[in-house]
Amino acid sequence: KNEVEQSPQNLTAQEGEFITINCSYSVGISALHWLQQHPGGGIVSLFMLSSGKKKHGRLIATINIQEKHSSLHITASHPRDSAVYICAVDTGNQFYFGTGTSLTVIP
Amino acid sequence: GAVVSQHPSRVICKSGTSVKIECRSLDFQATTMFWYRQFPKQSLMLMATSNEGSKATYEQGVEKDKFLINHASLTLSTLTVTSAHPEDSSFYICSAARETGLRGYTFGSGTRLTVV
Repeated sequence: KNEVEQSPQNLTAQEGEFITINCSYSVGISALHWLQQHPGGGIVSLFMLSSGKKKHGRLIATINIQEKHSSLHITASHPRDSAVYICAVDTGNQFYFGTGTSLTVIP
Repeated sequence: GAVVSQHPSRVICKSGTSVKIECRSLDFQATTMFWYRQFPKQSLMLMATSNEGSKATYEQGVEKDKFLINHASLTLSTLTVTSAHPEDSSFYICSAARETGLRGYTFGSGTRLTVV
């Protein structure tokens, strides 16, 4: 069993749709990261969370520490949001990564 | 499936020595692997992209002579930190591109390098 599970693995959406990506983890963490990775490999850090909720533009990330679950929401999705979204948890000693959610937003 | 093994997980070395970090895709072939570095409380930074059988492509500001990358086979890429200094102490992570089946990226578990 992986320490970090993401769902869905693949997601196709129409432009404008509301998108949710889920992340569950099984280890104790000091922080959870949501990352966006484009085909070239470069990673953009979207959020670093240790509790509650954060919002940046059309992106919202929430975390429930008791349930060991986090969600990434994208409102009014756009084709430029197409990328792989990765959930990663930092235990303080080590990172564990989800396998990513490949998002395609169709115009 | 799609497992990447990174070794070692932790290493402490003396200043001036070299350290090699290995990244292996265990059950798939990875023509492309990526190396990242993470400074404390910051996100991952892409250092270089390594393609099997060819020279790595380094990101701007990354010293190619200091961070030697070799991708000699479809399942193994290595990062060698040469003449390490304390400022090289960091967390290094590799990822391998899954180009068939479940496309995306699989990450290694990282290597924490401490240079003393």
